[in-house]
Amino acid sequence: DAKTTQPNSMESNEEEPVHLPCNHSTISGTDYIHWYRQLPSQGPEYVIHGLTSNVNNRMASLAIAEDRKSSTLILHRATLRDAAVYYCILRDSSYKLIFGSGTRLLVRP
Amino acid sequence: EAGVAQSPRYKIIEKRQSVAFWCNPISGHATLYWYQQILGQGPKLLIQFQNNGVVDDSQLPKDRFSAERLKGVDSTLKIQPAKLEDSAVYLCASSLGRGTYYGYTFGSGTRLTVV
Repeated sequence: DAKTTQPNSMESNEEEPVHLPCNHSTISGTDYIHWYRQLPSQGPEYVIHGLTSNVNNRMASLAIAEDRKSSTLILHRATLRDAAVYYCILRDSSYKLIFGSGTRLLVRP
Repeated sequence: EAGVAQSPRYKIIEKRQSVAFWCNPISGHATLYWYQQILGQGPKLLIQFQNNGVVDDSQLPKDRFSAERLKGVDSTLKIQPAKLEDSAVYLCASSLGRGTYYGYTFGSGTRLTVV
């Protein structure tokens, strides 16, 4: 399974942008980059995914480096509800979603 | 759209007892997954179903864990006998298909405590 590296934790102030980094230096050409987040006492929820181009949706933006060895999840205005563990996951041809330890995001009011 | 339903929400059992968890996926979702999440860790995939067939159960401890998906809809995960290290949250997820394009929808999980 392809591996990702994320910081253990990050902090942000409410209503400020948050950039969550993810390194995936062993990514292959067909691996999709997926992001999920897990709020306290809930199951993970899908945030966004991409292959090569930057992606935007109502929840977040995903910026993918040109060499695809890293990516950044961008929350444009953090709210208290965005406090969660964020997982960066590579989905390969096995199609499995394999979780790492993720980044715990703390949002200060 | 209704989400993935799981029951019970919480369960406390003694070691060596048996326990079963139930999952009802989103209607029309062909693929169903069971994950185990130990406190402080990311979820670990236990088993994957495509319709009512097992696609991958390589991480399932088959000496004590079993799972089935009858008629390609609901699924049950059973542990018999339970050990202290089985204390975890058991998450069920479903998706339309197995492809890398498809996102997963997770249930809220069943928190199991083995004492």
